[in-house]
Amino acid sequence: EAGVTQFPSHSVIEKGQTVTLRCDPISGHDNLYWYRRVMGKEIKFLLHFVKESKQDESGMPNNRFLAERTGGTYSTLKVQPAELEDSGVYFCASSPRISGGELFFGEGSRLTVL
Amino acid sequence: AQRVTQPEKLLSVFKGAPVELKCNYSYSGSPELFWYVQYSRQRLQLLLRHISRESIKGFTADLNKGETSFHLKKPFAQEEDSAMYYCALGPLSGSARQLTFGSGTQLTVLP
Repeated sequence: EAGVTQFPSHSVIEKGQTVTLRCDPISGHDNLYWYRRVMGKEIKFLLHFVKESKQDESGMPNNRFLAERTGGTYSTLKVQPAELEDSGVYFCASSPRISGGELFFGEGSRLTVL
Repeated sequence: AQRVTQPEKLLSVFKGAPVELKCNYSYSGSPELFWYVQYSRQRLQLLLRHISRESIKGFTADLNKGETSFHLKKPFAQEEDSAMYYCALGPLSGSARQLTFGSGTQLTVLP
């Protein structure tokens, strides 16, 4: 079974540019989460989809971040325009509708904003 | 507000020595506590959860509600235990399993 896949694995952009991160969850997983780890800090929750609906987006830092999950399959997270403080590792995780609590993580997308 | 605190960013022990990774939390209600681990060049994965009360790879963790702690312990560390360990908490039940993570402890087991 394929795990959660994320693309790209690493992106280097300049301040003011746009980046789109993609996450393909495990097939059949209704729940999809985005998290972010900034250097030296904790892994912070960004938002949670249940199928195509945003269940909770309380962790999104500001309106420069836009997440979508069209059709309830893969998800994208767009940062526009990127700022220096957006640098970090963006993790995607998924879980089944009825979950025992375990989240299945992707390998992360490392974003470097210069 | 819910919070997970891991006071040690780095922890080094010698092979065969006991190891304890500390985790304290604050949460209003009944949380479920987890330990996740990220080995070098691998993805973050679940190590154990408190409700399972099981030992995984020799690790155990006991939830102490009085001290609001969930420390991870292993009596004899192995070199392959070297990894980044994250303590996390979430709601005890429900379909929304948004987790709150600590900042992680990098464990290095020396030969």
